[in-house]
Amino acid sequence: DTAVSQTPKYLVTQMGNDKSIKCEQNLGHDTMYWYKQDSKKFLKIMFSYNNKELIINETVPNRFSPKSPDKAHLNLHINSLELGDSAVYFCASSQDNWAGDETQYFGPGTRLLVL
Amino acid sequence: GQSLEQPSEVTAVEGAIVQINCTYQTSGFYGLSWYQQHDGGAPTFLSYNGLDGLEETGRFSSFLSRSDSYGYLLLQELQMKDSASYFCAVGTGANNLFFGTGTRLTVIP
Repeated sequence: DTAVSQTPKYLVTQMGNDKSIKCEQNLGHDTMYWYKQDSKKFLKIMFSYNNKELIINETVPNRFSPKSPDKAHLNLHINSLELGDSAVYFCASSQDNWAGDETQYFGPGTRLLVL
Repeated sequence: GQSLEQPSEVTAVEGAIVQINCTYQTSGFYGLSWYQQHDGGAPTFLSYNGLDGLEETGRFSSFLSRSDSYGYLLLQELQMKDSASYFCAVGTGANNLFFGTGTRLTVIP
C-alpha cells in the first residue's frame, strides 16, 4: 500500500492557468507538508499543516494555497502559474511534529512544467 | 539567516567508505536528519541525530556535534546503488525541516 500518494505525477500547463495537486497519506499522521524542489535540487518547505493549524512559509507567493479537507489530505492549488513555478512538488507527512525532527515520509512528487 | 553547507559532489569507489559533512547555522535546532534521493525519486529517511554522538544503521552511520554545529553521514562498503543525492536537514521548530543543498554521490566501479 502506498503511504503518501500524489496526483498527478506529471503536469504540463500554460502560463496563467490555475492547477491543483492532490496528496493523500494513509499513515495516520497528524502533520503534512508541501515542498518545492527546483532544478538545482534545492528542497524547500512551502507549507506544513498540523491537524489544526496551517503554518505558512512567508516566502511563498500567495498564488499558492493549500487546502486540507481532512488530516489525511493536503492539496495544493496554484493560481496564475508562472514559468518560475516549474519544479517538482513533494508532499510529505510525519507524526505530530512541532519540532520538525520526526521522520518525514515523502510522496513520489509531481513534476510541473509551465510553458 | 539559516544555512546548511554540504559538498555539492563526491565520487568514491565501490566497496570504499565515504563521509559527507554538513555544517549548519539555524535559528532553532531539534536534531539533524539525513535523507537519500535517487534521480527521479522521492527523498527517503536514512538517519537522525538528536544528541551528540554516532548513530549506526547497517552500512550507514551518522554523527552529530552540537557544539560545533556539525554532522556527517558515513557510508561503508559502498555499492553502486548508493549513487544518489544525500541531504542533511535540521528540525528548526514550527513544523519546519530545513534542508541542505544536497551532495551528489557517484559510486564508480
